[in-house]
Amino acid sequence: AQKITQTQPGMFVQEKEAVTLDCTYDTSDPSYGLFWYKQPSSGEMIFLIYQGSYDQQNATEGRYSLNFQKARKSANLVISASQLGDSAMYFCAMRETYSGAGSYQLTFGKGTKLSVIP
Amino acid sequence: DTEVTQTPKHLVMGMTNKKSLKCEQHMGHRAMYWYKQKAKKPPELMFVYSYEKLSINESVPSRFSPECPNSSLLNLHLHALQPEDSALYLCASSQDDTEAFFGQGTRLTVV
Repeated sequence: AQKITQTQPGMFVQEKEAVTLDCTYDTSDPSYGLFWYKQPSSGEMIFLIYQGSYDQQNATEGRYSLNFQKARKSANLVISASQLGDSAMYFCAMRETYSGAGSYQLTFGKGTKLSVIP
Repeated sequence: DTEVTQTPKHLVMGMTNKKSLKCEQHMGHRAMYWYKQKAKKPPELMFVYSYEKLSINESVPSRFSPECPNSSLLNLHLHALQPEDSALYLCASSQDDTEAFFGQGTRLTVV
């Protein structure tokens, strides 16, 4: 079974509008973390936002916010006021096992390709 | 400075060649990673180094050989690769469990 599911292979959004990218996850580990990354065509994976399983509030970073619904096991990314530069592939990822030595495994979803229309 | 630097950015190599990919970070992170990403697929973990020791090897073929000479550097030595090894190779580093920073990647083509 997939641990991270991104059901939207591609999304279109009008410039300056908000868009929500869906992510659901599956884990029995009570301690986990959820990450969102942006990957432009250049290939670099750009860290956007993080949500820990014990965090009480939804994470926000500038125009990015994470709609974390723990009971539903969803961690949707909301991008407000979309810009042309937001066009990219977006990956949701989960950390389950934290070794405590600063290392862990990230499991990625298949990604959503976002296209921002002028 | 949240930069992870990978060199080279592009590499074309023959199946009999030996080459190395390099990764450097100066954020003081104690964990470093190699991921492999095929076209239109998500990244897949290959190796994890924690405090300069190999902690995870995700059943990667021996033609890929990682090395961590010091806490800032991570190498991936390549030998006798196959065309199906052509991919984007991403290096990452982390210090705690709340963020991991990736480099720009090396696009490898095996001919």
